[in-house]
Amino acid sequence: GNSVTQMEGPVTLSEEAFLTINCTYTATGYPSLFWYVQYPGEGLQLLLKATKADDKGSNKGFEATYRKETTSFHLEKGSVQVSDSAVYFCALRPGGTSYGKLTFGQGTILTVHP
Amino acid sequence: DTAVSQTPKYLVTQMGNDKSIKCEQNLGHDTMYWYKQDSKKFLKIMFSYNNKELIINETVPNRFSPKSPDKAHLNLHINSLELGDSAVYFCASSPSGVHETQYFGPGTRLLVL
Repeated sequence: GNSVTQMEGPVTLSEEAFLTINCTYTATGYPSLFWYVQYPGEGLQLLLKATKADDKGSNKGFEATYRKETTSFHLEKGSVQVSDSAVYFCALRPGGTSYGKLTFGQGTILTVHP
Repeated sequence: DTAVSQTPKYLVTQMGNDKSIKCEQNLGHDTMYWYKQDSKKFLKIMFSYNNKELIINETVPNRFSPKSPDKAHLNLHINSLELGDSAVYFCASSPSGVHETQYFGPGTRLLVL
């Protein structure tokens, strides 16, 4: 079956530090890959996505590249801000179907200190 | 305008009660979902409907019954609530299509005492 594994948290950084959150996946075919962010007390928001190998998703300074050879979709940001403190979820959606469930990683809690 | 809305936002109830959570989307999407987030933040799909038809039904106790009166609404009814049902329940919707994004509601925080 499909699965997503994220690096364990929590991750604590100082403002302006470099961020990497690792994500690897197991899936058949060609899934779409997503990063969602959940701010405290809120629902999930799409951060970025990639739908095929070598695609790079980017938004709000965050980037992730769909690497089929390493089955990875690591999230990076060059300089984090306090406002980036949240829970980050990597997810995949199976390819080849018009509607498919998202399989999520376990989430990584990020705390950024001033 | 709220794209995916859920009511109530908080729900505190006693074991054994029956409760419902409502979800509405105004995005014109064909597909809606229910996810459960446990206390460790782990998210798992429960159900999905496409144009009012059930298409995904994960291993969920049959005390949970989704209902979709139209494609803009997907409600979740829970019978005989148990302590382990305490969680955050998220509704989501998406257009049909292989790579489409799912949009999530704000969540309903259910606490069973």
